[in-house]
Parts: sequence; structure tokens; C-alpha cells
Amino acid sequence: DTAVSQTPKYLVTQMGNDKSIKCEQNLGHDTMYWYKQDSKKFLKIMFSYNNKELIINETVPNRFSPKSPDKAHLNLHINSLELGDSAVYFCASRAGTAYGYTFGSGTRLTVV
Amino acid sequence: AQTVTQSQPEMSVQEAETVTLSCTYDTSESDYYLFWYKQPPSRQMILVIRQEAYKQQNATENRFSVNFQKAAKSFSLKISDSQLGDAAMYFCAYRNDMDSSYKLIFGSGTRLLVRP
Repeated sequence: DTAVSQTPKYLVTQMGNDKSIKCEQNLGHDTMYWYKQDSKKFLKIMFSYNNKELIINETVPNRFSPKSPDKAHLNLHINSLELGDSAVYFCASRAGTAYGYTFGSGTRLTVV
Repeated sequence: AQTVTQSQPEMSVQEAETVTLSCTYDTSESDYYLFWYKQPPSRQMILVIRQEAYKQQNATENRFSVNFQKAAKSFSLKISDSQLGDAAMYFCAYRNDMDSSYKLIFGSGTRLLVRP
């Protein structure tokens, strides 16, 4: 019964390709996020969705496009992949304001 | 801009001993939450402990406790009776509750090594 599941866990692809990462949560949370963890382990917010509506887009290149078909899903599509996109991408969801966040296990994207 | 600083890239502790991880943050807000997350080699982000800014009492979760000094903007994590399974990256995070996104802002992390 994984609470926040991401697929795939690993993704190796060539520069210039387009790829998607899927995220699903079965916790009934209203808000979902994408975070990027770079090679130095630094974590930074990319996007936030609340009930399928975009709340944050933190100066992420237009090549990154999140899509939320319903409040349980938040997918990340990346066009024209670049070497610098190599990172671990985490999906997370949040219940009310008094609570922490539940993270997925991450997707390690390697662009070659 | 709100920032979180973890000044210790790496810490080492003997099994069964106590270790303290440091975290400072910069904010002009009064309504916020602070968190410590653990990231073992499995990559999973695990919530260790959280603290509401308006609560003066330090949060405690079993062997984990915090020293929250609001005036000094300091939020350190103390791990007592360290175990081998505590070895991981530890991230301090801040959330501004006046920001409707409730996004987390993370520090750069501290790698904790546990010596048997």
C-alpha cells in the first residue's frame, strides 16, 4: 500500500528526448509537489498543485510541464532533455497545514 | 528571501552516543513550521520530527529531540543512543505558513555517519 508512488524509479535517456515521470498518491491529499534533488543532494521545489490547480512554478524551464489529471495524480513531462536535467525527482503530497509531507521514493533521471 | 543553513556537511558519532545536528534559518515571518527529514541510502525522505514556531516546547519523538531557539533562529536535532540505522543524510526544512503554497525550503543536508 504505497502512499506516494512514482514511476519509473530509474530513467536513463539520451539528450534531446522527451520523457515523463508519473506520480500517484492514495492518501486523499489535496496538494502535491515536485522537488528536484541535484548531484549535491540539494532539494528544491519545482511545482505545486492544489486540487489540480497550479500553485507554484519556481522558475523552472518551460521544457518542464506538470500535469494533474485529478488530485491523486501529478505527472512531470520533460521535453528536449539536457545533461543538466540529470537529478533525482521527488513527488510529495501534503494533508492539512499541521502535517508534514509524504514523499515518493524518487526517480533518478540520467541524461547521457 | 527565506533560507535554511546547515553548516555541518558531515558528522560522525559512535554507536550509542549522542549527536547534535545544527540548523539555522532566516525569516521575517512569525508563523512557520520547521522539519527534520532523514534520507537513508534508499533515497526515501522520512519525516523525523516537526516543530511549530509558536510552540515554545521543544518537540520530541523517541530518541530524536530538537532545540528550538526562535530568537536565534536555530533548530538543532539531537539524536540520543545513536544506532547504525540512523546513518543517513539529514535535512532541515522550513515552511512559511503565510505562503499559500506551503512549500518546503530545505537546507543543504548533513551526512551522519555512525561508527560501530
